[in-house]
Amino acid sequence: DAGVIQSPRHEVTEMGQEVTLRCKPISGHNSLFWYRQTMMRGLELLIYFNNNVPIDDSGMPEDRFSAKMPNASFSTLKIQPSEPRDSAVYFCASSLRTGGPNQPQHFGDGTRLSIL
Amino acid sequence: AQSVTQLDSQVPVFEEAPVELRCNYSSSVSVYLFWYVQYPNQGLQLLLKYLSGSTLVKGINGFEAEFNKSQTSFHLRKPSVHISDTAEYFCAVSEVDFGNEKLTFGTGTRLTIIP
Repeated sequence: DAGVIQSPRHEVTEMGQEVTLRCKPISGHNSLFWYRQTMMRGLELLIYFNNNVPIDDSGMPEDRFSAKMPNASFSTLKIQPSEPRDSAVYFCASSLRTGGPNQPQHFGDGTRLSIL
Repeated sequence: AQSVTQLDSQVPVFEEAPVELRCNYSSSVSVYLFWYVQYPNQGLQLLLKYLSGSTLVKGINGFEAEFNKSQTSFHLRKPSVHISDTAEYFCAVSEVDFGNEKLTFGTGTRLTIIP
């Protein structure tokens, strides 16, 4: 079975440019999570969706960050304009919410973002 | 709100020796607990989870963890480690609230196996 697929794996861009990260969740999963991982702050939840609807975006750092989930098989995280402090590894994860105990989240391999 | 503390940022262990990675949590409500492993340049993989029932949970790759409610701990153990266990290990907690799927992660413990 295909896991969570993220693209690109690496992105290097200059400050001020728009960055778009993409995620395809596991087929059949109905929850999707975006995380950011840095040495200083560890793993932080940015936003999560259930059935394509944003449920909690309290972790989104500021208005420069936006996330969308137009359908069950695709999500984007956009940064505009990008800044050097946005450099991090961004992970997407998905899970199946069943109405019972929380099911494990399955992670993609991440996008390593460097803003110069 | 819940929090997770992994006191050991790095743990070096000789190959074939036992290891324990410590995790303590704080929450005002009941919780689910998870251990994830991250190999270099990869995402996180689930090692094991505690949802309810037996407090001793067995996971993949020979790892196990014990939930101790009185000590609010969920330490990860392996009786004999291998070189391939070199990775970063994250403890995570979520509230027992079927409407809330948020996971709170600890800062991670880097396990280094010494040949």
